[in-house]
Amino acid sequence: DGGITQSPKYLFRKEGQNVTLSCEQNLNHDAMYWYRQDPGQGLRLIYYSQIVNDFQKGDIAEGYSVSREKKESFPLTVTSAQKNPTAFYLCASKQRNYGYTFGSGTRLTVV
Amino acid sequence: AQTVTQSQPEMSVQEAETVTLSCTYDTSESNYYLFWYKQPPSRQMILVIRQEAYKQQNATENRFSVNFQKAAKSFSLKISDSQLGDTAMYFCAFMRLNNAGNMLTFGGGTRLMVKP
Repeated sequence: DGGITQSPKYLFRKEGQNVTLSCEQNLNHDAMYWYRQDPGQGLRLIYYSQIVNDFQKGDIAEGYSVSREKKESFPLTVTSAQKNPTAFYLCASKQRNYGYTFGSGTRLTVV
Repeated sequence: AQTVTQSQPEMSVQEAETVTLSCTYDTSESNYYLFWYKQPPSRQMILVIRQEAYKQQNATENRFSVNFQKAAKSFSLKISDSQLGDTAMYFCAFMRLNNAGNMLTFGGGTRLMVKP
């Protein structure tokens, strides 16, 4: 079945540590997105990519970095510069204007 | 920039009854899409229904229907014959067409509780 796989489901980060969240899709979608969701709130866009080797900042890109070396993969790195990284992170992909397909998310907690 | 507002943080409904969730948005665009997404306790985002702004006819998907009022910039979701499995967060979202990134802008969500 086609879909988006996010891993890990739960991730713990120590202060000052960089961590990378994985997002893989086998839908052959061109565009991919990373959103952050804080408790009881909506989703905010971190980064997006429309094609391989190209990506753009979203509304809250500070403290995050991404890469898009393959169409199927769009990993997100949460750097030590992100002062409040505890949140739920959702990856999505899209083909044309139908809407997004979402992964099941990664919950990141700072310990 | 587009904004999406959901004015009802929480709602509840009895099983088998009908409930309407509100959504308003602000945009100067004429071509866009609107969506309702459901996020159950599993946190998986599920597309419920989609509306193209150029279509006057309201979208329907089984028990889910929308009331799209373009002039008023209103996009409400009606859930008929509510079921326990409808308990979830519901997000209204806006996508501008002719936008290089086709990003979705989300409202803050409405938590719906269906009571037995």
